[in-house]
Amino acid sequence: DTEVTQTPKHLVMGMTNKKSLKCEQHMGHRAMYWYKQKAKKPPELMFVYSYEKLSINESVPSRFSPECPNSSLLNLHLHALQPEDSALYLCASSQDHPGQGAYNEQFFGPGTRLTVL
Amino acid sequence: KNEVEQSPQNLTAQEGEFITINCSYSVGISALHWLQQHPGGGIVSLFMLSSGKKKHGRLIATINIQEKHSSLHITASHPRDSAVYICAVSPNYGQNFVFGPGTRLSVLP
Repeated sequence: DTEVTQTPKHLVMGMTNKKSLKCEQHMGHRAMYWYKQKAKKPPELMFVYSYEKLSINESVPSRFSPECPNSSLLNLHLHALQPEDSALYLCASSQDHPGQGAYNEQFFGPGTRLTVL
Repeated sequence: KNEVEQSPQNLTAQEGEFITINCSYSVGISALHWLQQHPGGGIVSLFMLSSGKKKHGRLIATINIQEKHSSLHITASHPRDSAVYICAVSPNYGQNFVFGPGTRLSVLP
């Protein structure tokens, strides 16, 4: 299984809602990532988990809260979002933790298209 | 100046044409990645390179470490190749990908 899955595919939420995005991989990868991608722009890194511990938080607002319950799962909890948070949210995983070069090939999921009203 | 640059930004080709997309970078790297993203979709990793050349089907990727330059070639292009192609590097100094701005390719039938 060389796939990263993400649910839901699409999500529409109001600014007062609480929702969660889910990501799963069964490749035995030890690093998992959340990216945010706005239209016609490259992905922007939000968080990195390495061995189930948060290793990078790219100054993301606290209305985004990541969680890594186990080595296969990564969640992104959303609360009190703003319309400008509307974007494609991509999850990725890699065999080893970042910085290992040859082991840093990342496998991306299909993304969740989030719209905040 | 961005650490990873790509050219062209946009490219329109006729079906069957040979296509080249270029990537140049300014930092020391351990690997370079070519990624493909179809409209509204997730990202697929096409190649990871640290030297030389790799081929997969109609796609060929080359890298020149001394010149800090990589190219992605598509032979016998097809409309299904229409996508954004992103060059990303794994820098020596840091922990994560640095992405280029992407090249938007449209292949017309």
